[in-house]
Amino acid sequence: AQTVTQSQPEMSVQEAETVTLSCTYDTSESNYYLFWYKQPPSRQMILVIRQEAYKQQNATENRFSVNFQKAAKSFSLKISDSQLGDTAMYFCAFMKRGGAGKSTFGDGTTLTVKP
Amino acid sequence: DTAVSQTPKYLVTQMGNDKSIKCEQNLGHDTMYWYKQDSKKFLKIMFSYNNKELIINETVPNRFSPKSPDKAHLNLHINSLELGDSAVYFCASSQEGTDTQYFGPGTRLTVL
Repeated sequence: AQTVTQSQPEMSVQEAETVTLSCTYDTSESNYYLFWYKQPPSRQMILVIRQEAYKQQNATENRFSVNFQKAAKSFSLKISDSQLGDTAMYFCAFMKRGGAGKSTFGDGTTLTVKP
Repeated sequence: DTAVSQTPKYLVTQMGNDKSIKCEQNLGHDTMYWYKQDSKKFLKIMFSYNNKELIINETVPNRFSPKSPDKAHLNLHINSLELGDSAVYFCASSQEGTDTQYFGPGTRLTVL
């Protein structure tokens, strides 16, 4: 079974600064996907970024980028130029390739961006 | 156009009642899911259907019964509601063979 750990229940950052959210996971699988989801107060789950485990290159989506360390089983999310609208709960998730879409989520990190 | 929709968005009911939550997706996906997010925001998969067939059934009380009349719809029926069933229930969909899941807006269920 897979586990996903987010060790920071809460974080805060000043507007325009950079923040990094941590995620570690445990699996015996070699082929899988990793995701970061954002859940703002509206509660909608929004996919922020995804990473395929067999790709060494870190994924980037505008101000969001990841640091994927497969050997260390680490998948951190960096948010650059933080904006007030980034205030949300962020979930890290794992999905085994060919695993019928079953995702395992971390417990989440609540990020507050301060003006 | 809403890709994954759920009805109702809010549901308040008494213990012991039976209720249903409906989910529809217009993305042409063939796999749909139900997730439960509890009061501590923990998110966990409950069920997954592929082309109307159940493929994932996590440890969920049998009071919960998913039904998929067609591949665009996945409903969740809950019998004999209990206080601990209070949560936000999310529906999601994906195309088989791909990894990206699209979530609905969630249904907040409150059992009194």
